[in-house]
Amino acid sequence: SQTIHQWPATLVQPVGSPLSLECTVEGTSNPNLYWYRQAAGRGLQLLFYSIGIDQISSEVPQNLSASRPQDRQFILSSKKLLLSDSGFYLCALVTSPGFTNEKLFFGSGTQLSVL
Amino acid sequence: DQQVKQNSPSLSVQEGRISILNCDYTNSMFDYFLWYKKYPAEGPTFLISISSIKDKNEDGRFTVFLNKSAKHLSLHIVPSQPGDSAVYFCAAGAGGTSYGKLTFGQGTILTVHP
Repeated sequence: SQTIHQWPATLVQPVGSPLSLECTVEGTSNPNLYWYRQAAGRGLQLLFYSIGIDQISSEVPQNLSASRPQDRQFILSSKKLLLSDSGFYLCALVTSPGFTNEKLFFGSGTQLSVL
Repeated sequence: DQQVKQNSPSLSVQEGRISILNCDYTNSMFDYFLWYKKYPAEGPTFLISISSIKDKNEDGRFTVFLNKSAKHLSLHIVPSQPGDSAVYFCAAGAGGTSYGKLTFGQGTILTVHP
């Protein structure tokens, strides 16, 4: 079965500092990968998704970027963090993509606090 | 525009009673719905799903009901247990074409009291 590794679990960063969150997956090949964010009091918002190496789609304009240098590695970055970037960041993959029983499988998340 | 809405931010229920969590959607293209459960500082875990060709799906203590004409779904937990205390998210997609790009509601915090 697939496993998603996310680190760090918590992160406190000053405004204007850079960010790099890493996600690696095991137990699957050629996965569709996703970055979701849960801001305080809000639902899960899709930020980026990737169907393969170096193939990134952005869902919302923002201060963040994503990269996929390897098949099982997905990285979320920022050059300069804003207060509004605070939130709980989740990496996810989809099981059975393209089928009616497709499901998102989430990692354990990173709680980012920008101060 | 919030296409999936959970209008109740929180729900408090006594152990052993029924918990009913509600979700409304506006996009008629949605035909596949899921419920996720999330504990603090953890990623959401899949609970149960339903396709629009059904109006009910059951899995143990969890039942999801779908009313397509009202664009409304609900999750019933019977009987509720203290371990069910968590945030519950409903999500929607176009089955077979969303490719993981689900639309989530804001979540409902369920508290089950012993």
